[in-house]
Amino acid sequence: GDKVKQSPSALSLQEGTNSALRCNFSIAATTVQWFLQNPRGSLINLFYLVPGTKENGRLKSAFDSKESYSTLHIRDAQLEDSGTYFCAIASSSFSKLVFGQGTSLSVVP
Amino acid sequence: EAAVTQSPRNKVTVTGGNVTLSCRQTNSHNYMYWYRQDTGHGLRLIHYSYGAGNLQIGDVPDGYKATRTTQEDFFLLLELASPSQTSLYFCASSPRRSAETLYFGSGTRLTVL
Repeated sequence: GDKVKQSPSALSLQEGTNSALRCNFSIAATTVQWFLQNPRGSLINLFYLVPGTKENGRLKSAFDSKESYSTLHIRDAQLEDSGTYFCAIASSSFSKLVFGQGTSLSVVP
Repeated sequence: EAAVTQSPRNKVTVTGGNVTLSCRQTNSHNYMYWYRQDTGHGLRLIHYSYGAGNLQIGDVPDGYKATRTTQEDFFLLLELASPSQTSLYFCASSPRRSAETLYFGSGTRLTVL
């Protein structure tokens, strides 16, 4: 439901620019995962986070458990970054992951 | 990298039809999941399992059965398919619990006419 909210819902970026996606949650989270669903429909793991930050190439993610949010930063956006980005949280209140609705990203030349 | 294989890739059936979606993971993960993805709803959990012979109910289980025959194989069964079950179905696995990294299969697109 609305336990995990992603913003923005859609975004268009020019190639080479930077942006940040956000995931806010209304319940206490122990871990956060970020996934990319590419235009072919495949879901790809990007990050698995405990509170803190991780970086992988042009992507960087942070998880602040006290403020209940996570961010995904994309640096120097490329065409292949296009797709829908999902965050999902694990919580001690639930035995299952809770997914956000996704941010649809379009990178244009 | 964990491998999760789903079959078929696409399936078309008629209302009232009987459908089985298959999923196999080859990484000795304990947990396996079936999700459906629909516009406006995101990913919703149907059923999951933490081992052979085990089945747990997810968030949207109505109209679906599932069976975990081995640690590797998890099946989703639609015994009387309805048009509302037209969706993109994903299988996933994780090593221990849902808090662990989730690995998805490539998805099965099901159309119920």
